[in-house]
Amino acid sequence: DVKVTQSSRYLVKRTGEKVFLECVQDMDHENMFWYRQDPGLGLRLIYFSYDVKMKEKGDIPEGYSVSREKKERFSLILESASTNQTSMYLCASSAPGLANYEQYFGPGTRLTVT
Amino acid sequence: AQTVTQSQPEMSVQEAETVTLSCTYDTSENNYYLFWYKQPPSRQMILVIRQEAYKQQNATENRFSVNFQKAAKSFSLKISDSQLGDTAMYFCAFMSAGANSKLTFGKGITLSVRP
Repeated sequence: DVKVTQSSRYLVKRTGEKVFLECVQDMDHENMFWYRQDPGLGLRLIYFSYDVKMKEKGDIPEGYSVSREKKERFSLILESASTNQTSMYLCASSAPGLANYEQYFGPGTRLTVT
Repeated sequence: AQTVTQSQPEMSVQEAETVTLSCTYDTSENNYYLFWYKQPPSRQMILVIRQEAYKQQNATENRFSVNFQKAAKSFSLKISDSQLGDTAMYFCAFMSAGANSKLTFGKGITLSVRP
């Protein structure tokens, strides 16, 4: 089974702190994604990566950055956390190619910024 | 840009009955994929069913089936013989065909199955 893990299920940080959210997948997937999930807004794509050291902005990249130094790991960074970044963060991965478009999701990290 | 609309925020169904979740989308593309994802309470999101736009036949996965109306840009999910374990948030999603495309999600619908 594909396994996508996220470093924390719950995280509480203070405004202005630098926050790292880690995601690891064990299926050798090229594609990795970070979403945030908010009530009434669904999932919105923050950043994604199609290969090591590659990154692309999603729909709401402001206030976030990412790092992908190894194929299995994709980190989301909040340079200076703000209260409006309180949310559920979901990581996902998928294999490339036309035959497989299923994204496999991690359990999510519920981040609270106070 | 593509948009996905799920206009019903919540639905409820009696166990063993059938329920249909609605989804519409907007795109100018001819080739694309549509998905329904399920997110159970406090559990990971999983894929329920996938439909390729070039296929006329509606996808089916056990108790889950879709009604894909390409001209109307409609993609509804039917759950037959509802079970308590079907209680979850359901998200409709769109993806353009082509390598490395992104998923665009709807806002989701909360489905509750009553015992």
